[in-house]
Amino acid sequence: EPEVTQTPSHQVTQMGQEVILRCVPISNHLYFYWYRQILGQKVEFLVSFYNNEISEKSEIFDDQFSVERPDGSNFTLKIRSTKLEDSAMYFCASSRMRQGAVQPQHFGDGTRLSIL
Amino acid sequence: QQQVKQSPQSLIVQKGGISIINCAYENTAFDYFPWYQQFPGKGPALLIAIRPDVSEKKEGRFTISFNKSAKQFSLHIMDSQPGDSATYFCAAKKTQGGSEKLVFGKGTKLTVNP
Repeated sequence: EPEVTQTPSHQVTQMGQEVILRCVPISNHLYFYWYRQILGQKVEFLVSFYNNEISEKSEIFDDQFSVERPDGSNFTLKIRSTKLEDSAMYFCASSRMRQGAVQPQHFGDGTRLSIL
Repeated sequence: QQQVKQSPQSLIVQKGGISIINCAYENTAFDYFPWYQQFPGKGPALLIAIRPDVSEKKEGRFTISFNKSAKQFSLHIMDSQPGDSATYFCAAKKTQGGSEKLVFGKGTKLTVNP
């Protein structure tokens, strides 16, 4: 069964440094998402991306965050200047084009980001 | 308005028992309610989902019950097995208006004892 793959599985970064989290969505999916989960808390929506542009973003997704689809397979989340509170598990997800029925979002196994 | 409240936070069930996890929402615009299962070190995996036009959906041992007037929905796991031990998240989405954002509950850690 096709999977969403994320790399790296664990990223340790100094506060203030830039970090890029990478995702390869399922190949025939057209909607892409980033969510995060701070330890012990719920999964929170960050951003959705469709047709090479952001379709929706949360209040968490401020100017320090950006997303990009640099080629036909990768989808990245960049945090420009990391803060301690950015430490979390970041999940990438993807879904098919909605055609009537709601299409489920498929999640990767996440990247654990630790800011020191 | 955007919250989904989930209970209990943790649940311990004996093998063969019924596990019940409850969720409540306030935003009546939500019209898609999935349940996700998450094992340690893995991402959430879709288990089962329901739309508000039905009151119940069953897939194998997993059943969602939906009460539109009470704005509540619950997951029932029949004949619970140790392999069901995981964290379960309810979620909700407003499909009208082009939003694809899932709003998650805080999760329930289920332990099924052998």
